[in-house]
Amino acid sequence: DGGITQSPKYLFRKEGQNVTLSCEQNLNHDAMYWYRQDPGQGLRLIYYSQIVNDFQKGDIAEGYSVSREKKESFPLTVTSAQKNPTAFYLCASSTGMTSGGQNSYEQYFGPGTRLTVT
Amino acid sequence: KNEVEQSPQNLTAQEGEFITINCSYSVGISALHWLQQHPGGGIVSLFMLSSGKKKHGRLIATINIQEKHSSLHITASHPRDSAVYICAVIVRGSNYKLTFGKGTLLTVNP
Repeated sequence: DGGITQSPKYLFRKEGQNVTLSCEQNLNHDAMYWYRQDPGQGLRLIYYSQIVNDFQKGDIAEGYSVSREKKESFPLTVTSAQKNPTAFYLCASSTGMTSGGQNSYEQYFGPGTRLTVT
Repeated sequence: KNEVEQSPQNLTAQEGEFITINCSYSVGISALHWLQQHPGGGIVSLFMLSSGKKKHGRLIATINIQEKHSSLHITASHPRDSAVYICAVIVRGSNYKLTFGKGTLLTVNP
């Protein structure tokens, strides 16, 4: 089955520790995205990548880092510099600009990782 | 002011009722998504549209580009429709990035 996997579903860390969230897709999508969701707020874009070995900052990139060494994988590291890391993190992917057409816009979401930092 | 506004924020209905959720946006867009998020957190894409109307089962989505407005309708609502419904737009020229509304929490009672 094609899809996006995120692991783990729940993650607990102590303040001051870096933590890496996994996102893998087997949809052969070029573009991948990381979003953060907080109660009462819409999803906000952290980082996105339109192609392997390239990525751009989203609206709230401070305190986060990413890599895109493989098409299938887009891990997100929440660093100790992120002041309020406790949140629900969602990864998504889309075919992206390389395929063209309206279907390029549609994003497919993973199940999410709920990170709690104490 | 948010670029994407949804109404209502919360909606409670009885099983069988016809439901409408509204989304207004203030920018030029390439496309609009309606998404569904269940309590477990995962998000499912219901529709993506850039004009007209789409239907899938009991769900209907419409968009009026001139009025910058979209609606999501659920006919014959059922308790399993209870979820958060999120409107998201791809702002024209934004490199395919989504801008999200805050969501509408729908509760359908049996």
